[in-house]
Amino acid sequence: GAVVSQHPSRVICKSGTSVKIECRSLDFQATTMFWYRQFPKQSLMLMATSNEGSKATYEQGVEKDKFLINHASLTLSTLTVTSAHPEDSSFYICSARKGGWASDRQYFGPGTRLTVT
Amino acid sequence: AQKITQTQPGMFVQEKEAVTLDCTYDTSDQSYGLFWYKQPSSGEMIFLIYQGSYDEQNATEGRYSLNFQKARKSANLVISASQLGDSAMYFCAMREITGNTGKLIFGQGTTLQVKP
Repeated sequence: GAVVSQHPSRVICKSGTSVKIECRSLDFQATTMFWYRQFPKQSLMLMATSNEGSKATYEQGVEKDKFLINHASLTLSTLTVTSAHPEDSSFYICSARKGGWASDRQYFGPGTRLTVT
Repeated sequence: AQKITQTQPGMFVQEKEAVTLDCTYDTSDQSYGLFWYKQPSSGEMIFLIYQGSYDEQNATEGRYSLNFQKARKSANLVISASQLGDSAMYFCAMREITGNTGKLIFGQGTTLQVKP
């Protein structure tokens, strides 16, 4: 199998604070992970592509200083939402690609629901 | 630029009947992949079916089949014998191969409700 976990599953934080979300591939190594954001009743929007040992590639319009991504090992990528505001409240989903080719399949984590009060 | 379009925001189907969810795409790539995912209210993304651009036969996975019409750039999902547990949001997605990113581009989604 190919299992991806995310932690925490839900988090509530106060406006102005930072929150870190972890994405782990449990039974495979993932050189590439992807971070998506999903607002209620909407589609998944890719935020960034995270590559192990190098800087993340952010999609247009995503603030790299606000959404810090660190892919420090082949099984872990983290997304830190800095100075969170209520408009950052969303469902954040990661996926991990099993293999080094673009054609290799991605496996999704269960998602993290962030609420900023 | 690549684009995925799902024109049905919501669909209803009677239990045990078949339903087709529409998906059209636009790409200039010759090699690409098309996916369908199911997202229940829990939020998890459940992989349903995959079709490669060079696959000559339509993909099937149990009650799911993908009606792939390459010339029309459509990749509709057919769910046969609908069950109450099929009620969820369904997303069509295309995988970019260009640049070796493997990024997935998602359509807007279709909410399916199965009536008893």
